[in-house]
Amino acid sequence: EAGVAQSPRYKIIEKRQSVAFWCNPISGHATLYWYQQILGQGPKLLIQFQNNGVVDDSQLPKDRFSAERLKGVDSTLKIQPAKLEDSAVYLCASSLLLGHTDTQYFGPGTRLTVL
Amino acid sequence: QQQVKQSPQSLIVQKGGIPIINCAYENTAFDYFPWYQQFPGKGPALLIAIRPDVSEKKEGRFTISFNKSAKQFSLHIMDSQPGDSATYFCAASALFQGAQKLVFGQGTRLTINP
Repeated sequence: EAGVAQSPRYKIIEKRQSVAFWCNPISGHATLYWYQQILGQGPKLLIQFQNNGVVDDSQLPKDRFSAERLKGVDSTLKIQPAKLEDSAVYLCASSLLLGHTDTQYFGPGTRLTVL
Repeated sequence: QQQVKQSPQSLIVQKGGIPIINCAYENTAFDYFPWYQQFPGKGPALLIAIRPDVSEKKEGRFTISFNKSAKQFSLHIMDSQPGDSATYFCAASALFQGAQKLVFGQGTRLTINP
């Protein structure tokens, strides 16, 4: 079974530029998550989708971050404009269902550096 | 209230030793406690998980101890090996307003010396 795919793996941009990350979850997984992992910290949930609907985006900085999940499969996360403090690894995860004991499977992440 | 505190931040153990990583939480709504293992350049992967109705769970060399009254839980790695060197995250999960809320600790960077 293929895992969660993410691209690009690395991205370096200047502050105030925009950037987009792509995620392809495990086939058949209804729930998709985007996390931000700052160096030396645990992942922090940004947004959660159930199929193509948003379940929780309470921690998404909506003035600069946006995300969508087209047709309930792939997802993109966008930052516009980027700030220095956005430098982090952005992890995508998926789970079969929405239950709070469902295992979340993580992709390798995209490491973003904002200069 | 939705924080999970993890310690230590880093840990160095000799091969064969038993590293212990501790976590504490405040919110009693959390009722599922997974541990994740992360290698450099990889995403976290589920290692072992426990529910608060049991005090201990063992899978291979990995054991979770859970103290519900103290709201604390810990990970023990028996007969540790250099291949166990990784960052370990405890987490706590609950269903909040119809959505899974998974809150991670800050992580422990574990090094097992040969």
